[in-house]
Amino acid sequence: DTAVSQTPKYLVTQMGNDKSIKCEQNLGHDTMYWYKQDSKKFLKIMFSYNNKELIINETVPNRFSPKSPDKAHLNLHINSLELGDSAVYFCASSPVKGANYGYTFGSGTRLTVV
Amino acid sequence: QKEVEQDPGPLSVPEGAIVSLNCTYSNSAFQYFMWYRQYSRKGPELLMYTYSSGNKEDGRFTAQVDKSSKYISLFIRDSQPSDSATYLCAMISILTGGGNKLTFGTGTQLKVEL
Repeated sequence: DTAVSQTPKYLVTQMGNDKSIKCEQNLGHDTMYWYKQDSKKFLKIMFSYNNKELIINETVPNRFSPKSPDKAHLNLHINSLELGDSAVYFCASSPVKGANYGYTFGSGTRLTVV
Repeated sequence: QKEVEQDPGPLSVPEGAIVSLNCTYSNSAFQYFMWYRQYSRKGPELLMYTYSSGNKEDGRFTAQVDKSSKYISLFIRDSQPSDSATYLCAMISILTGGGNKLTFGTGTQLKVEL
């Protein structure tokens, strides 16, 4: 199936731990994104990579570090997890030309920090 | 003040009703306007997109954009229980260095009751 897939779907971890979320898209898109959705359902962009190059880096703590080994993958590593990091993290992708047709989102990773 | 404002609801309507969902925005750089639908514990999925002021219809859905007022709307005719979801307006701005950015409203939770 052509899609944006994220792993894991659920992640429960203790404060202070380091964790990674992986994202892969097989749509042939050039640009990938990480969004965070808080408890009030507000989706806010965190990072954007275009063909492995970082082009958007919103005001996100340095504990969050994206890595793009190739244009089909964008992983998110989080160091020293805090309670406030609990949220749903969505990966998305879009073509460079035609991004006005919208982004394709993964199904999300629900992170709970205890 | 957020760049995109949207009434969070919840909005509850009877089956068959016409639903009107609205967003206002402040950033004149927004060029493309979209509506996403998000079911519980799923990723957002693109419902409609438009570029110019005016109406765009797709089945039971009509998207309306008024750039002069910085106001967009989504109308759902003959609403069905399966339309129960969170509806997010979203807007794309083109970045000066290349690439684009999708900014979301806070989402309106809609429930269509039998």
